[in-house]
Amino acid sequence: DGGITQSPKYLFRKEGQNVTLSCEQNLNHDAMYWYRQDPGQGLRLIYYSQIVNDFQKGDIAEGYSVSREKKESFPLTVTSAQKNPTAFYLCASSIVSQPQHFGDGTRLSIL
Amino acid sequence: GQQLNQSPQSMFIQEGEDVSMNCTSSSIFNTWLWYKQDPGEGPVLLIALYKAGELTSNGRLTAQFGITRKDSFLNISASIPSDVGIYFCAGVGAGGGADGLTFGKGTHLIIQP
Repeated sequence: DGGITQSPKYLFRKEGQNVTLSCEQNLNHDAMYWYRQDPGQGLRLIYYSQIVNDFQKGDIAEGYSVSREKKESFPLTVTSAQKNPTAFYLCASSIVSQPQHFGDGTRLSIL
Repeated sequence: GQQLNQSPQSMFIQEGEDVSMNCTSSSIFNTWLWYKQDPGEGPVLLIALYKAGELTSNGRLTAQFGITRKDSFLNISASIPSDVGIYFCAGVGAGGGADGLTFGKGTHLIIQP
């Protein structure tokens, strides 16, 4: 089936640790996005990529990093510099200028 | 960034009732999107609106793109238990969405027995 796969579903981070969230899509979409969702809040954009080997900061990029080495993959690393990482992270993809479609999210918590 | 004001924040309704929610913005959007999110899952696209004044239906759902391009509403008729969830509006600006969507904070729909 075509879609967006995020893994893992749940992730725990220790103090000072970097963790990487996976996002893979087989929809042949050029554009991919990472959003953060906090309780009672809308989705806030972390990073986006419109094409392989290129990505741009969103509204809340501090403490995060990404790469886009393949069209299908857009992993997000939550670094130790992100002091409040507990949130629900959502990956999305789209054909440019078409609505975005979302994965089922990764919930990150602090140990 | 741009702000979307979505209301109401939550709704407590009886099964069978109609539901109405809306989003307003201080900025113009070229596209309005409505998503539904179930607990622990990602948002699912319900309706996309591309033209000012456009009225679009998807089953029991109806959404409209405001004439001013600064607002949109979503109606759900004859609500059923599976309608429970969080509904988000999202706007697409001049960048065509390539630089991400602007989301409202969501309307939490709760159906009382």
